[in-house]
Parts: sequence; C-alpha cells; structure tokens
Amino acid sequence: EVQLVESGGGLVQPGGSLRLSCAAPTFTFNNYWMSWLRQAPGKGLEWVANIKTDGSETNYVDSVKGRFTISRDNAKNSLYLQMNSLRGEDTAFYYCARHLRNSEFSPWDYWGQGTLVTVSS
Amino acid sequence: DIVMTQSPDSLAVSLGERATINCKSSQSLLWSSNNKNYFAWYQQKPGQPPKLLIHWASTRESGVPDRFSGSGSGTDFTLTINSLQAEDVAVYYCQQYYSHPETFGQGTKLEIK
Repeated sequence: EVQLVESGGGLVQPGGSLRLSCAAPTFTFNNYWMSWLRQAPGKGLEWVANIKTDGSETNYVDSVKGRFTISRDNAKNSLYLQMNSLRGEDTAFYYCARHLRNSEFSPWDYWGQGTLVTVSS
Repeated sequence: DIVMTQSPDSLAVSLGERATINCKSSQSLLWSSNNKNYFAWYQQKPGQPPKLLIHWASTRESGVPDRFSGSGSGTDFTLTINSLQAEDVAVYYCQQYYSHPETFGQGTKLEIK
C-alpha cells in the first residue's frame, strides 16, 4: 500500500515561513517524480511544484516562484516544501502526490491526506 | 497556461442513471509523437484527497469500476458514469499534464437526484 504522510502545516502570520514534509515509507521513493499541490478550503486544485527523481530538476507555478522551494531526501524517503514570504492566498490544504510514472508529464496516482496551512494575522 | 473548463458546474442524476461531465481545454492535449492525450480525470469525496480515475483520456486506473469511462481527444473530453451509485457522489476534476503548469478544471459537483 502506497502511503504519503504530510506534516508541518499550521497557522503562520503573513510574511512568515513554514516547512512542510511528506514521508513516503512504502515504495521506492527515488524512482518517482513528486509534486506538491494545494487546495484552498472549498475551492479547486492547484499544482504548486514538482521535483525530479534525483532532485536535479524542479518546476514551480508562477505564483510561488522565488518564495517556495521543493526538495527531497531520497535517503529518508521524504519530500519537502519550504514556504517563505507567505501570503493570505497561500492558505490551503497542501498535498504531496506521486507521479504515475517516471515522467514529470504524468498525472498523480497517489496523494497524501493533506496538511492545512493557514496564513493569517 | 492551458485553461480547462468543465461543464456543468453541478449535476444531479438519479440512481442507476447516466452522468456525463464535459471538459474543454484551451489548446490541444494530443501529443503527435505518441498519439496520446495528456489528460486525466479525478474524483474527490468530502474530506478526502483526489483519486485518479482515468488518464491518457480513456485509460481507467486499476480498481476503478468499469461504469466510469473517459472519451475524447484534442480539446474536448467527457467522463461518463453509467448506472450511478450512491458512492459516486463527489466533485470531479479534469486535468491536463501536457505542459507546465499542470492545470485543473474548476470541478463538477455530482449529486443524487
């Protein structure tokens, strides 16, 4: 059973920082591209960032470029999202998700349960 | 960015009947080199993450009931749910993975009539 477990969400003030983690203990983590996606409460889905199997390539949605950094530690089977300069519009559930195959241009076949990030003063 | 537009925004269908959801992309999702449409459908139930139903526009994921089917090519796609069951109540999203940023439709809320 593929498991993805996010952690690190919480309440943060505008301009603050937060680091999300995603543990992936049950599959060969270093074989897969991984992504972070988000969903504002009651709203639709937005892809945020992805990262290649070895971490050598990353991509971001324009709205987070320069503020968010995706990274991974294959030795720890973990994915991360460092979020800086947070804004109210970053408030959302953040999901880590596995790409279906070893390609960045593929859908996501497994998703974590999500962690809520709330940006508010 | 590729814009994905779903219709309708909401839909109420009787148990046992057919539900049809449409999705239109602002540009073709058909990759000529492999003749594949870089398009997927997801189902999201309340309080749960999305679940991948269909990719390559018509390939059903393992374990997805065969009452779910996807069709279409290029810019126009359809999700059909035959013989609607109570457990199919959810929001359905289309998504393109043809180019960055990957984008989703706004969602279609499916309810029982």
